[in-house]
Order: sequence, then structure tokens, then C-alpha cells
Amino acid sequence: GAVVSQHPSWVICKSGTSVKIECRSLDFQATTMFWYRQFPKQSLMLMATSNEGSKATYEQGVEKDKFLINHASLTLSTLTVTSAHPEDSSFYICSARVEKPGQDYEKLFFGSGTQLSVL
Amino acid sequence: LAKTTQPISMDSYEGQEVNITCSHNNIATNDYITWYQQFPSQGPRFIIQGYKTKVTNEVASLFIPADRKSSTLSLPRVSLSDTAVYYCLVGPNRDDKIIFGKGTRLHILP
Repeated sequence: GAVVSQHPSWVICKSGTSVKIECRSLDFQATTMFWYRQFPKQSLMLMATSNEGSKATYEQGVEKDKFLINHASLTLSTLTVTSAHPEDSSFYICSARVEKPGQDYEKLFFGSGTQLSVL
Repeated sequence: LAKTTQPISMDSYEGQEVNITCSHNNIATNDYITWYQQFPSQGPRFIIQGYKTKVTNEVASLFIPADRKSSTLSLPRVSLSDTAVYYCLVGPNRDDKIIFGKGTRLHILP
């Protein structure tokens, strides 16, 4: 199936610093990518929908100035956690949907996730 | 937005067949049913997708009745490595969101 690459796998940072997470679709183009966060033993919670060439759509309760999303190309979306605090510590996961008709059409593929720990 | 309901958790033993059922009463005509598997500290992994009747691949089978208001993921002869959380998703969603339900935490015992 299609591959979504997410980096870094884990990051530890000091409170007040910013952290950027990259999500790349390696063998397909993705107009839309999704960003989730997940707390231990809980389900994935959709944070925002990233749209190539336009502003992201944030879910209710997600601060857009806190979680900056940039989707500058059809294969790359980035999530920047600005001025991170300990409560931002979580597992962040990106995903992309195959939009071209074919074997994987409309299937979601996920990155391996980023564990963020803010000290 | 089609909401899904699954059992919170299930236990089974190695070598058994495991069936996990998902309810999706308000599934739309153009919605597919997709199942994902997630191990701890990893992103979800696609398992199987179907629209109606039965779909089988090298990993699992998916049974969908004629009314499509539910679906059953069948894992044949499970092993310890099948311990994971399994999510049932219905879509594409009209407003383009992909929302996860709580999933089913499957625990395989030796």
C-alpha cells in the first residue's frame, strides 16, 4: 500500500520551545492530510484537516495559533507545536488519503506517529 | 457523519477465530467500511475495506450484511501478535472528516 512518512518519531523539548513534525506521502499525492493526537489508551482525536495550498480546518477546541499547519505541496504537511507546554505532550499522528482511482483509492494511510514530551 | 459502535474490548486465545462487529446504522450509500489495526506507539495500519457482502485478503475477512448497518471483521487463527486496537471507520464522509470511534482493544492470551 501507499506509504506515509512521519518525522521525528519522538522528540523531547523544553517548555516554551516550538517543535515541527513533518508528514510526507512518499508514493502518492495528497491534497488533504489529517492530523490527530492520541493520549494513552484513548482513541485518535482529529485536530485538523490540512489542505494543500490553503488554510487548514481546525476542529473545535484546537487552537490554530498553537498548532500551526502548513501544507505547501501535494506530498508534505507540517505541524508546528508553538510554545509547547507539558500539557501538549502527546502522540501525534498524521494521515493522508489516496485520491487517485486505483487499488488504494480513498484508503487512509498513516504515519508512524511522533511522541512529544515537553519538560 | 456515520457513527460507529464497537465493543470496547475482547479477549481470545491463540489459534482461535476472532470476530469483531461494528454497528453503523446511518451509513450512507456511497460509504465504504474500513478497518484499521493499531499497535501501541504506532500509527494505525489498514487491514481491509469493503462495500457489501464479503471481502477477504491475506490478513482478514470482512462480512457485510445486505442492509450494511453493521460489519464483522474476522481474524482467523489469531496469535499473540494480533493483540492491538481495531478501529472500524465508515466513509468517505461528506464533510471530508475522518473521525475515529473508540475502537476495540483485542487481547490475545496464550
